[in-house]
This record gives sequence, structure tokens and C-alpha cells, in this order.
Amino acid sequence: KNQVEQSPQSLIILEGKNCTLQCNYTVSPFSNLRWYKQDTGRGPVSLTIMTFSENTKSNGRYTATLDADTKQSSLHITASQLSDSASYICVVSARDAGNMLTFGGGTRLMVKP
Amino acid sequence: DVKVTQSSRYLVKRTGEKVFLECVQDMDHENMFWYRQDPGLGLRLIYFSYDVKMKEKGDIPEGYSVSREKKERFSLILESASTNQTSMYLCASSLTREQYFGPGTRLTVT
Repeated sequence: KNQVEQSPQSLIILEGKNCTLQCNYTVSPFSNLRWYKQDTGRGPVSLTIMTFSENTKSNGRYTATLDADTKQSSLHITASQLSDSASYICVVSARDAGNMLTFGGGTRLMVKP
Repeated sequence: DVKVTQSSRYLVKRTGEKVFLECVQDMDHENMFWYRQDPGLGLRLIYFSYDVKMKEKGDIPEGYSVSREKKERFSLILESASTNQTSMYLCASSLTREQYFGPGTRLTVT
């Protein structure tokens, strides 16, 4: 069964600090992996999308990595800001499943001043 | 910019009521999706549609139905709302691999 596991479930950090969120998946055959940011009460917004051949992708202070061999991804946030407080969702797509996605449970990040 | 809108941000309904959740996208996307999101369970796919009048069951279709009469509009219907359908409902649309989400509708069934 295709699964996406994220850790930690929640995280509290001080403003200005860095943090790394983890995503492990068992989706096969792999097509792509996305990270979404979801503010409270809002729909998810795409941060990055990576295919099999991409190891690293950045979007401002967000850097996602992908190790397709170990089926792991991470999202690193640099110099966190209060506006980074949100849930971060890892989503994996299987190659033979059209546009069907497998969602992780998300990591809830709180950035404290 | 892709825009996906949902008819209500917050909705409170009574048990047994028929509930309609509307979703509209303005990018001529062929694919549209309805998810529900619950704490600890992530997003779960209810139904999706890949063309007008076409629909497919997702992972948790029980208690729901959908309608896609026009390309830009995808409706989720709760025939007889129950308290276990209290949730956040998210609509999404896509052309290829990128899904764009609406703002969500928080439905409370009392």
C-alpha cells in the first residue's frame, strides 16, 4: 500500500532558527514528490515539486531534498519567520496512477518570536 | 494565476440535511478533486472527475456523491449529513501533475 510518513508531527522553533522536516514514502513506481504549505484554515499551496532525477530544489528560504534510493525527502527552512508557522505536507505521486496523490499527515510548525 | 474557489468558508448543517459544496476553477482544467482533511489523517480523496459528466470514486466515497455538469464546476453532495462528516473539505483542480487547491470549506454537522 502506498504510504507517506512525516516527522515530526509538530515542531516549535524560535524565529530566526533553521529546521528540517522529514518525509518517508513507500509509493511505487515513483513519479514526483511535492511539498505543500498550508496556513491554518486555508488550502495547501505548492512549495516545490521534484521528479526522480532531482536531488535538491529551492524556493526562497525553503530547500527540499530527495533521495529516491532510500525514498526519503526533507524540507529545510532557513532563518525561520513567524509567517512560516503552518502545516507542511509531503505528497507523492505514483507514475501509473494518473494524477492520484498520496498525502502525508503533515508537520505542524510553529515559529515563536 | 490559477484560481480555485469554494462556495463557503464555513458551513453549519444539521444531521440529515442535504448539503452542497461547490467548487469553481477558472483555468479550464480537466481534472477536479474533492478531499476531506481531518487531524491526524491528512487529506483523503473522496471523488474526482477527469471530464464533464465523468466521475470516479476516491478512497472514501461512502456518504458522498458528486456532480460535474460544466468543466469549471465540481460539486460535492452529502445526501444526508451525519456528524462524522464534520471536516474540512478541500477542492483541487489540475491540468497535468500540479494540483491547485481551493481555500477549503469547514463543515460542521450538529
